[in-house]
Amino acid sequence: DAKTTQPPSMDCAEGRAANLPCNHSTISGNEYVYWYRQIHSQGPQYIIHGLKNNETNEMASLIITEDRKSSTLILPHATLRDTAVYYCIVSPQTGANNLFFGTGTRLTVIP
Amino acid sequence: KAGVTQTPRYLIKTRGQQVTLSCSPISGHRSVSWYQQTPGQGLQFLFEYFSETQRNKGNFPGRFSGRQFSNSRSEMNVSTLELGDSALYLCATTTGLAGETQYFGPGTRLLVL
Repeated sequence: DAKTTQPPSMDCAEGRAANLPCNHSTISGNEYVYWYRQIHSQGPQYIIHGLKNNETNEMASLIITEDRKSSTLILPHATLRDTAVYYCIVSPQTGANNLFFGTGTRLTVIP
Repeated sequence: KAGVTQTPRYLIKTRGQQVTLSCSPISGHRSVSWYQQTPGQGLQFLFEYFSETQRNKGNFPGRFSGRQFSNSRSEMNVSTLELGDSALYLCATTTGLAGETQYFGPGTRLLVL
């Protein structure tokens, strides 16, 4: 069920933009791209999701390529509190709530 | 709105015992999904309940079961505990309608000795 591929780890300097990539080359037409993050041993926190168009909210921006085979989560000004494991998930919005979490990217924000 | 609450937050059991965990969803949310997180297997989907019915099920043995009450609160039960059941158990809730985002609780950390 490995629908997404993410780098295992990344570092980012505090105050700089963190760009987290995700490959989802087998994404189906009805599948959305979701991003969650998990700060050590807490429950995953929803960040953002999108289908085709780029999305932005108060936490982050999501850039989805035109062919939808990859996406990038952007944290515009990373802080130490953004240190977490970030999960990219593809899922149809059918109401069935069984998200498949891969291994994610461990982002470390460095002072 | 209050968030998703899970009780207890921490639990220690011994092999062979059984355990019941509880999840109270956000007000208005009728779907509750359960996940198990271990260092080796990561976050894995257990099952989902909607309107007191199991709507979806992951690949876990029958020792793992759940139920949902009329107020949408859900419980999951693990019988005949094994050492490998030590994990963080998370529940996530939504309204249950298509397109709704899942919101996770803080989890229950279970240690089986």
